Amino acid sequence: GAGVSQSPSNKVTEKGKDVELRCDPISGHTALYWYRQRLGQGLEFLIYFQGNSAPDKSGLPSDRFSAERTGESVSTLTIQRTQQEDSAVYLCASSPLGGAHQPQHFGDGTRLSIL
Amino acid sequence: GDSVTQMEGPVTLSEEAFLTINCTYTATGYPSLFWYVQYPGEGLQLLLKATKADDKGSNKGFEATYRKETTSFHLEKGSVQVSDSAVYFCALTGQAGTALIFGKGTTLSVSS
Repeated sequence: GAGVSQSPSNKVTEKGKDVELRCDPISGHTALYWYRQRLGQGLEFLIYFQGNSAPDKSGLPSDRFSAERTGESVSTLTIQRTQQEDSAVYLCASSPLGGAHQPQHFGDGTRLSIL
Repeated sequence: GDSVTQMEGPVTLSEEAFLTINCTYTATGYPSLFWYVQYPGEGLQLLLKATKADDKGSNKGFEATYRKETTSFHLEKGSVQVSDSAVYFCALTGQAGTALIFGKGTTLSVSS
């Protein structure tokens, strides 16, 4: 079966532009997560969606970052007025249920480069 | 807040050598602990997990035991192969219960 799919795989854009990253979770997975991995760093949690509950946005670094999810399907992460420090690999993960014991399945990520 | 510390790499070993990658954590409550692996050119994959104290997770010859007394979850393998070359990440689910908190990753390079 298909895994977590992310697009685009690579994105290069100029500072100040807006970007939109897409994540297609594994079918039937109710929980969806976004993480960021900057060069030489571990993964940082950004946002978590669980079913129809209000998302946990506690990891978003600034109000330039936002994310949406339609039901239990596709999610988009939007970064407005991009800055060079936003350059990173953005990873999406999904799991069958939310919760501490559930392993998360990761996509291949979107590598974002801000010029 | 909750955090994970793992040994800095790179770790360079010869084939069939014994591997240990240290991981310690700080967390309130009873987190679940995970090791994820990222092979060259591939996405992040779950390697093994343990959900309570004294549990041992194992997969592909790798093992890690959840040690609450030492707040550790060290990854071990008795005999590494060239195909084990990858970046290994230790992680836990923190107080909030769902999002993973990762260490910075340890690069393992195995030569024949």
